[in-house]
Amino acid sequence: DTGVSQNPRHKITKRGQNVTFRCDPISEHNRLYWYRQTLGQGPEFLTYFQNEAQLEKSRLLSDRFSAERPKGSFSTLEIQRTEQGDSAMYLCASSSGLQNTEAFFGQGTRLTVV
Amino acid sequence: AQKITQTQPGMFVQEKEAVTLDCTYDTSDPSYGLFWYKQPSSGEMIFLIYQGSYDQQNATEGRYSLNFQKARKSANLVISASQLGDSAMYFCAMSPSGSARQLTFGSGTQLTVLP
Repeated sequence: DTGVSQNPRHKITKRGQNVTFRCDPISEHNRLYWYRQTLGQGPEFLTYFQNEAQLEKSRLLSDRFSAERPKGSFSTLEIQRTEQGDSAMYLCASSSGLQNTEAFFGQGTRLTVV
Repeated sequence: AQKITQTQPGMFVQEKEAVTLDCTYDTSDPSYGLFWYKQPSSGEMIFLIYQGSYDQQNATEGRYSLNFQKARKSANLVISASQLGDSAMYFCAMSPSGSARQLTFGSGTQLTVLP
């Protein structure tokens, strides 16, 4: 499978714990995006990487959230001191510089904070 | 700020018929891009079609076409010859740059295709 891969697919955690999600983009894609989707809503933009540089961050990305893309390949999204309001689907997408209008999304990581 | 409005929470269509999913948008950016994505129950967002704000022709991709009316700020998706596999949630989105970053999504329309 050469699509965008996200792990884990599901995560249940207790409030206050830290969690980390991983995204492996399509190999030749240099642009990577994180979105968050709550039940019944469309996805909301969180952050954007071009290669290893984090170029844009939404105001939704509080100081408890951090994203990295070392070496410009896979990316991780960490949430510290999770809250119940963090429960959502976290979607990762990637696109190439040449065909930048089409972003390919992964199947997401569903986070449940109990 | 950009805003996308999808006023149809749910739509039903008979198999093999055409259906139009509504999308209106609001932006002060002179240049922008409009997108439609499909989200089946498995969760991933599937890109369907893109329209740039300066494109003169309406975009088409197979059975999908985008009815772009700039003056009315609408970007409706038309699916021709509906198939059972088209049943999914459909999201309209826009970005200020025309690229896929900083997409603003609407709340979606759940389409059900009836046999």
